[in-house]
Amino acid sequence: DVKVTQSSRYLVKRTGEKVFLECVQDMDHENMFWYRQDPGLGLRLIYFSYDVKMKEKGDIPEGYSVSREKKERFSLILESASTNQTSMYLCASSFSGGSSYNEQFFGPGTRLTVL
Amino acid sequence: GQSLEQPSEVTAVEGAIVQINCTYQTSGFYGLSWYQQHDGGAPTFLSYNALDGLEETGRFSSFLSRSDSYGYLLLQELQMKDSASYFCAARYSSASKIIFGSGTRLSIRP
Repeated sequence: DVKVTQSSRYLVKRTGEKVFLECVQDMDHENMFWYRQDPGLGLRLIYFSYDVKMKEKGDIPEGYSVSREKKERFSLILESASTNQTSMYLCASSFSGGSSYNEQFFGPGTRLTVL
Repeated sequence: GQSLEQPSEVTAVEGAIVQINCTYQTSGFYGLSWYQQHDGGAPTFLSYNALDGLEETGRFSSFLSRSDSYGYLLLQELQMKDSASYFCAARYSSASKIIFGSGTRLSIRP
């Protein structure tokens, strides 16, 4: 059974803290993605990676960075958390080949609250 | 920029058929996906259309018309468990990224 796991289901941090969100997939997928989901806004892409050590900015990369040192792991970093980064964060992964790229497998999400 | 439009809410009756529409911007468009998300759950992939026409998977079908920049998800024989949010997602060639719509919340009445 395919699986994408995220390090925390719920997280509470204080303004200015450095926050790490971890995502691990066991499907040997080349592509990994980080989204945030806010009511009425759908899923917005923060960053994605199509290979180890490779990354591309999505639509809302400001205030975030990512790291992909191993194929199965993709980390999202909030360098200095702010209250407007309170959100649900979803990690996803997919194969690269053909239409498989479009079938993304999502993790359960991390609900981050920044106080 | 690239954006997708879909209705925010749809209500239907158990056993009926419902269609959820999605319009997208044409430039660089590759294909359209659909995802289902139950409250508190993760999005799960339903279908993908790269070519015009209808793709059927059980009670769910998805349609694409490139000439109209439009697609839809068709749900038949609605069941209460189909109550969820449904997202269309378009792949664009410019950055190999996938853009999601803001989602349609489907409510089903007995």
